[in-house]
Amino acid sequence: DTGVSQDPRHKITKRGQNVTFRCDPISEHNRLYWYRQTLGQGPEFLTYFQNEAQLEKSRLLSDRFSAERPKGSFSTLEIQRTEQGDSAMYLCASRLGGGSEQYFGPGTRLTVT
Amino acid sequence: LAKTTQPISMDSYEGQEVNITCSHNNIATNDYITWYQQFPSQGPRFIIQGYKTKVTNEVASLFIPADRKSSTLSLPRVSLSDTAVYYCLVGDPTGGNAGNMLTFGGGTRLMVKP
Repeated sequence: DTGVSQDPRHKITKRGQNVTFRCDPISEHNRLYWYRQTLGQGPEFLTYFQNEAQLEKSRLLSDRFSAERPKGSFSTLEIQRTEQGDSAMYLCASRLGGGSEQYFGPGTRLTVT
Repeated sequence: LAKTTQPISMDSYEGQEVNITCSHNNIATNDYITWYQQFPSQGPRFIIQGYKTKVTNEVASLFIPADRKSSTLSLPRVSLSDTAVYYCLVGDPTGGNAGNMLTFGGGTRLMVKP
């Protein structure tokens, strides 16, 4: 257990539905990251927060995706109008600033049917 | 960002030493080399990080030659529980790209057999 938690661990949804995932980072970590991982591939960066500010977004983050980190604590990742191609593991990571390692949560596995 | 190349898969037996080599020919002066381990259905876990020569911790050793164009992760006396995917990453942990997000390649799938 790294101290980063994600909820839910698994989500099955039908195409076209909206889903929201939550990440609770390690409490003193000001930086929070979302990654997506498909089967057999390494994680791919989606977006990054420093405190409550979303500072970086990958081009993988289409307009159907939105992420928030109100008050610089937990974060949510919402996917609207899900597509089968959204099926993946969504990973959250956090770290303290200054070049320290990233601590990953267990991920949320999304299956879109 | 420097591209990394590592073997897709490796097999080993319990008790053996495993060495996984990663090539990173375009590594920049400020880049560090970092290895992560990932078990099925879990997030990646930091193993070790180094800049040059040799780094050792309780889990592994990291060997980096003088030209830094490659690095070798060494796992001593592996057990079945070391079966995982190992990722080699290269980047500047203190600056460079905003936020220092990690760029993962495909990793090396290590299978430890009894």
